[in-house]
Amino acid sequence: SQELEQSPQSLIVQEGKNLTINCTSSKTLYGLYWYKQKYGEGLIFLMMLQKGGEEKSHEKITAKLDEKKQQSSLHITASQPSHAGIYLCGADIRNDYKLSFGAGTTVTVRA
Amino acid sequence: GAGVSQSPRYKVAKRGQDVALRCDPISGHVSLFWYQQALGQGPEFLTYFQNEAQLDKSGLPSDRFFAERPEGSVSTLKIQRTQQEDSAVYLCASSFRDRLVKLFFGEGSRLTVL
Repeated sequence: SQELEQSPQSLIVQEGKNLTINCTSSKTLYGLYWYKQKYGEGLIFLMMLQKGGEEKSHEKITAKLDEKKQQSSLHITASQPSHAGIYLCGADIRNDYKLSFGAGTTVTVRA
Repeated sequence: GAGVSQSPRYKVAKRGQDVALRCDPISGHVSLFWYQQALGQGPEFLTYFQNEAQLDKSGLPSDRFFAERPEGSVSTLKIQRTQQEDSAVYLCASSFRDRLVKLFFGEGSRLTVL
């Protein structure tokens, strides 16, 4: 979707290092969802953010929503090989039932 | 079932053939979505069902694409006279409400049109 821009497109990180992925919307965000996808597989739900300033964490993954900037970030602390995959942000930009997705960020974790 | 189930996982079709992709959502889920994901891209919305009613089919690329959910559970996405540009992964997702909440995705059906 051109309405959601993810950056970077891909990144390689040394095991144990931190990484951050950004998702920026050209439209108002009514809800922001982070998913992870492994090649050839479906999307695994990570986190849902709905309120400006909201921050959620699960294990070593933290996601934040900046409603004013129409932006979300996903931060992984002390990356592990299991963190490798494609991270997709999906957003409700119409305040209805549809999710629009970014193109994804491919994360490679080097041992 | 425990999760969203899609079949077949892989389908190779010759150009011009018809294909049917099946989605079995989580039991009791009201909403069902179909998305198309091209290689290296994020999923793109195709169509949305609330129970058996198809409320939105604005994302279907052409009249060769048809989806149904006759009894409000299993859904089928049918593509007639397949073209090479139809090659993609077709993802099905379901949720328990009629508004956007957490979507549960299936593993997808990868269609390759030769």
